[in-house]
Order: sequence, then C-alpha cells, then structure tokens
Amino acid sequence: DADVTQTPRNRITKTGKRIMLECSQTKGHDRMYWYRQDPGLGLRLIYYSFDVKDINKGEISDGYSVSRQAQAKFSLSLESAIPNQTALYFCATSDPGGQGLSSYNEQFFGPGTRLTVL
Amino acid sequence: DQQVKQNSPSLSVQEGRISILNCDYTNSMFDYFLWYKKYPAEGPTFLISISSIKDKNEDGRFTVFLNKSAKHLSLHIVPSQPGDSAVYFCAASGRSQGAQKLVFGQGTRLTINP
Repeated sequence: DADVTQTPRNRITKTGKRIMLECSQTKGHDRMYWYRQDPGLGLRLIYYSFDVKDINKGEISDGYSVSRQAQAKFSLSLESAIPNQTALYFCATSDPGGQGLSSYNEQFFGPGTRLTVL
Repeated sequence: DQQVKQNSPSLSVQEGRISILNCDYTNSMFDYFLWYKKYPAEGPTFLISISSIKDKNEDGRFTVFLNKSAKHLSLHIVPSQPGDSAVYFCAASGRSQGAQKLVFGQGTRLTINP
C-alpha cells in the first residue's frame, strides 16, 4: 500500500467552483506539505504544516487554503478555482530531521493530482 | 527570484554513457542538497543527497558533486540505463522564517536512448 495517497488523481472543474484535494499518509510523519508543479517552474510550496495545530503559508498561498484534520490528513482547497490554478499538485510528508549543524528533511511525495480548471 | 536553477530542460544520452545533470543555486545558507527523480504519473522520489560540508557523495551508479565556491552541483549517472529516463529535480534545504524547507529547481528531463 502507498504511504502517501492523494484523492482525486485527476479532476476537471470550472472557473469559480470550490474544490478540495485530499492527502493521507501512513508514515506517521508530523510534517506535511502541498506543492504545485508547473512546466518550467518545478515544484513550488503552497502550504505546510509541522503538526496538527501548525499551518504556514508557503511561496504561493494566494487562492488556496488548507486544513490539517489529523496527523495523517492534510487537505488543500481552492475556494474559487481559476484557470491559472491548472497544475499538478503534490502532497508530501517528512520527519523533523536530524540534529546538528546540518540537517535535512527528506520528503516523501504522493502520486499527485492533475487539476484542470476550465 | 529562482534560488535553485536547472538551466537544461532536457538531456538525451546514449545507454551506457555518462549522464551529467547540473544545478545552480544562489543562497549560500543552504545546508543540504538533494536530487529527486520523477516518473510520469508518479510523485518525485528521493535519489541522493549531499551535505554542504562535503564535496562528493556516491551511491552506486549515482554521484553528486558540490562546488560551493561556484554554487553549483551536479549529478552523474554512470552507466546510464533506460530506466533512468525520468525528470530529475534538484532541491536545496535551508532555514527560512524559522523552518527548514526545500526549494526545488525547474527539473531536467533525461532520456536514455538504447
């Protein structure tokens, strides 16, 4: 079974509609992230959450909101979808990382949701 | 501004030869660098990393080199295999607004030709 799952995998919606993308994980990680991928721009961070009570904006949060319903669940909402939100959306999880001068948080990604806004 | 850049959108290499993927960064405070590999219809998966205090890290066919003075890193794949065909993302880890986060490059699509 996949450690990080995303639903739906594909979604086509119309401008102005509200849409929710869901992410669940069985890795037991506290940290969860939402990214979007656009051609030529790589992955950009939308929101991240370091625990259930902690929600933070990322690089491109305008037009999006999130909800951390439990340690294992992190949802991304588009309140009123617009065509330039057409993209591939990824959820990711990580552990807090090691101690010391240098540490990194390897992130584990879900399979992605392809969203098209017409 | 793009803190992590992969200037080659695509690269084509013959099977058995060396593939070299490049990445440049601007923030000298990044303390770890990672490469992720992505197949179509799948999420990115971690491939290899390097600490900023090292200049080389090797894992089987994959080696990452870091040149801090040039703010440049590269991923070498030797020998290249057809299964290596994928999009490769360079990422840098650094602390921003009190949190350790990853910043990704644009990606390079690697195609291994038989």
